[in-house]
Amino acid sequence: NAGVTQTPKFQVLKTGQSMTLQCAQDMNHNSMYWYRQDPGMGLRLIYYSASEGTTDKGEVPNGYNVSRLNKREFSLRLESAAPSQTSVYFCASRVPLSAGLVNYGYTFGSGTRLTVV
Amino acid sequence: DAKTTQPNSMESNEEEPVHLPCNHSTISGTDYIHWYRQLPSQGPEYVIHGLTSNVNNRMASLAIAEDRKSSTLILHRATLRDAAVYYCILRDRNYGGSQGNLIFGKGTKLSVKP
Repeated sequence: NAGVTQTPKFQVLKTGQSMTLQCAQDMNHNSMYWYRQDPGMGLRLIYYSASEGTTDKGEVPNGYNVSRLNKREFSLRLESAAPSQTSVYFCASRVPLSAGLVNYGYTFGSGTRLTVV
Repeated sequence: DAKTTQPNSMESNEEEPVHLPCNHSTISGTDYIHWYRQLPSQGPEYVIHGLTSNVNNRMASLAIAEDRKSSTLILHRATLRDAAVYYCILRDRNYGGSQGNLIFGKGTKLSVKP
């Protein structure tokens, strides 16, 4: 049981290049999330997916697209990378902490450190 | 949505207790208080959560004020491995669908001295 797995762990892109960050969870959770974390900052929500086949924008979606083709995987795509997208990206899966949907917690992956030059 | 306020940083000595405060004066009656921590170069990890009563688990204790406008995360004996950023979090209903989303602010950076 690996929890949430992100690939790659590190990536350097040139401005204008595209790439996809992969995230997979083996806990059979419905909800998955993509965050970015910039130096000295908290985590900002990019996109989330409440269930397979559905996605919604978060706080900072511009410049990103996502895909949730199955329950296990949630990918984040940068179509044309920009230096402003240099950040650490975290994927998370939501796990219920106790009975009742109002109380839940997140399990995070170890992150992808992306540099755009 | 309710927000939280935490000190930017705190220091502790190894093997001493640490009390990490959090203010959430606009918390709603049904909001749980969540604490996560982020070790260097890792993703955040769950620490503890609570609603009204004090809570204990193997990692920490959570003391919640009677009026729920503040809470304190207690590490009973800090170790060097507890050096991390600690986030006090409430649910945000602007994103994340009907169940909302947990908002991670800047948190409190805890340094532990040997």
